[in-house]
Amino acid sequence: NAGVTQTPKFQVLKTGQSMTLQCAQDMNHEYMSWYRQDPGMGLRLIHYSVGAGITDQGEVPNGYNVSRSTTEDFPLRLLSAAPSQTSVYFCASSTEYRTAGELFFGEGSRLTVL
Amino acid sequence: SQKIEQNSEALNIQEGKTATLTCNYTNYSPAYLQWYRQDPGRGPVFLLLIRENEKEKRKERLKVTFDTTLKQSLFHITASQPADSATYLCALDGGNDMRFGAGTRLTVKP
Repeated sequence: NAGVTQTPKFQVLKTGQSMTLQCAQDMNHEYMSWYRQDPGMGLRLIHYSVGAGITDQGEVPNGYNVSRSTTEDFPLRLLSAAPSQTSVYFCASSTEYRTAGELFFGEGSRLTVL
Repeated sequence: SQKIEQNSEALNIQEGKTATLTCNYTNYSPAYLQWYRQDPGRGPVFLLLIRENEKEKRKERLKVTFDTTLKQSLFHITASQPADSATYLCALDGGNDMRFGAGTRLTVKP
């Protein structure tokens, strides 16, 4: 059972470039989310989805775009990368939104924007 | 403003002792609170959930308390081992999503 799979694990971008971080889960979870983790600031929610076709903004959505066409996949798009987006990104999934279910995290994608 | 504060960035203890980590929150009314473990370069892993109507929860050497009056959760690891060295994150029900603290890095020395 693979759980939550993120690709790529590492990426270096130049300012202004765009890219997509991929996230896939094989647990048939309805809820998926993207967090960024920065030193001293904890995990901050970027976007989340409560099911296919439904997405919503989290705490820090600016500069990011998401879509949810299938239950399994939840890609995160950086539209025009900025140095402030240098961070470690985590995708997470759960059985259902707001049922106190545990979040299952991927291993993270480390992004550096020059 | 809303805040989640974990007592310190780093905590060093001797093997065999009890580690106590603190999570304080402001301007939240969480229905539940969770604790996660994160190892370097890895994603967080769920440890325990405690609900607002529960005072205490235990799992093996782990114990969590939740005081909604003090707006605080305590996370205890008894008989600590070097393998318990990691960063521990508290997370709480923020209304529409889970909100995380910055974490406490625990080092257990042999």
